[in-house]
Amino acid sequence: DTGVSQDPRHKITKRGQNVTFRCDPISEHNRLYWYRQTLGQGPEFLTYFQNEAQLEKSRLLSDRFSAERPKGSFSTLEIQRTEQGDSAMYLCASSLSRQGLYEQYFGPGTRLTVT
Amino acid sequence: AQSVTQLDSQVPVFEEAPVELRCNYSSSVSVYLFWYVQYPNQGLQLLLKYLSGSTLVESINGFEAEFNKSQTSFHLRKPSVHISDTAEYFCAVSARDDKIIFGKGTRLHILP
Repeated sequence: DTGVSQDPRHKITKRGQNVTFRCDPISEHNRLYWYRQTLGQGPEFLTYFQNEAQLEKSRLLSDRFSAERPKGSFSTLEIQRTEQGDSAMYLCASSLSRQGLYEQYFGPGTRLTVT
Repeated sequence: AQSVTQLDSQVPVFEEAPVELRCNYSSSVSVYLFWYVQYPNQGLQLLLKYLSGSTLVESINGFEAEFNKSQTSFHLRKPSVHISDTAEYFCAVSARDDKIIFGKGTRLHILP
């Protein structure tokens, strides 16, 4: 297994455009998390899935953000009508929710720059 | 709700000297505690974790952290740092099997 992968690694977009990021978790992991990291800050939780169900969304996740995990495997995070404040590193993590095995593994991130 | 405070945003230390990165947390429930490391231009990696049991936990590269429930702390220490330890270190907390709450990070600068 190669770990959590994210695509693309970098995205530059103009303000007002829509962008979509993909995350492929470790294959047997049933939980998938999205975080956002801005310069000089620690990662901040956005949302997470258990299998295909979205169980929690942060208030940071405005109406312009939507996340899906349609078959309980890969996930997508879409940002509509991007704003300069959306510029950040978007991190995906996955875990196997089972007693004694809890640990989140992070992907390399997608760096978004909104111009 | 949980929160994490990393008291130092940057810590400069000479090579081969000891270092301590401080972390305090608050939570109304039992938590797991973590230290993650982010090397320059790399992703987040788990350095060590406290889930239960022994309050002193160690990493494979010589770091250790001690869970102190009474002081709600989880400080990270290393007796002798190397230039390769240059990185940003994030303390983090999680209620059982839940999202992770990260601190703002401490940048460790190793001086030659």
